[in-house]
Amino acid sequence: DVKVTQSSRYLVKRTGEKVFLECVQDMDHENMFWYRQDPGLGLRLIYFSYDVKMKEKGDIPEGYSVSREKKERFSLILESASTNQTSMYLCATGAEGYTFGSGTRLTVV
Amino acid sequence: GEDVEQSLFLSVREGDSSVINCTYTDSSSTYLYWYKQEPGAGLQLLTYIFSNMDMKQDQRLTVLLNKKDKHLSLRIADTQTGDSAIYFCAESILYGNNRLAFGKGNQVVVIP
Repeated sequence: DVKVTQSSRYLVKRTGEKVFLECVQDMDHENMFWYRQDPGLGLRLIYFSYDVKMKEKGDIPEGYSVSREKKERFSLILESASTNQTSMYLCATGAEGYTFGSGTRLTVV
Repeated sequence: GEDVEQSLFLSVREGDSSVINCTYTDSSSTYLYWYKQEPGAGLQLLTYIFSNMDMKQDQRLTVLLNKKDKHLSLRIADTQTGDSAIYFCAESILYGNNRLAFGKGNQVVVIP
């Protein structure tokens, strides 16, 4: 089974902090994705990557950046956290069907 | 652009059937998916259907696809309390490396 591990289940950060959300997958997949999930809005794609050092903007990239230095790891970076970035963040990997991590619930205060 | 529509809430009595509906826009999608999200968890792939099929059955789950109307449905037979979750449909987008476009999700609450 593909396993997708997100480093934290819950995070609380202060406004203006730099935040790193880490995601690791163990099945050598090329594609990796970061989504945020908000009530009534469903899943919205922030960034995705289809190879090491490659990244593509999704639908809502503003305020975020990503890093893919190794194939198995895809990091989401909030350069200066703001309260409107309080959300559930979901990492996924795969091709035709995704496998998701358990999610990181981030609260920015 | 792609747009996947779902209704937001469904309550159903234990033992009854549940039907969740979804409409999508990209007629070139090769696969359509149903995901389940239990409280506090990530999304779990439940089932999928290839676009050249009309129906797929997998134990208690039946997926129906109407390509003409771009309509996808998921029927859960003999609904159980463990089926309480949010269900997302998703379509594959052929540009951009197999991106999936997700609906907003449908909350299903099973009443014992």
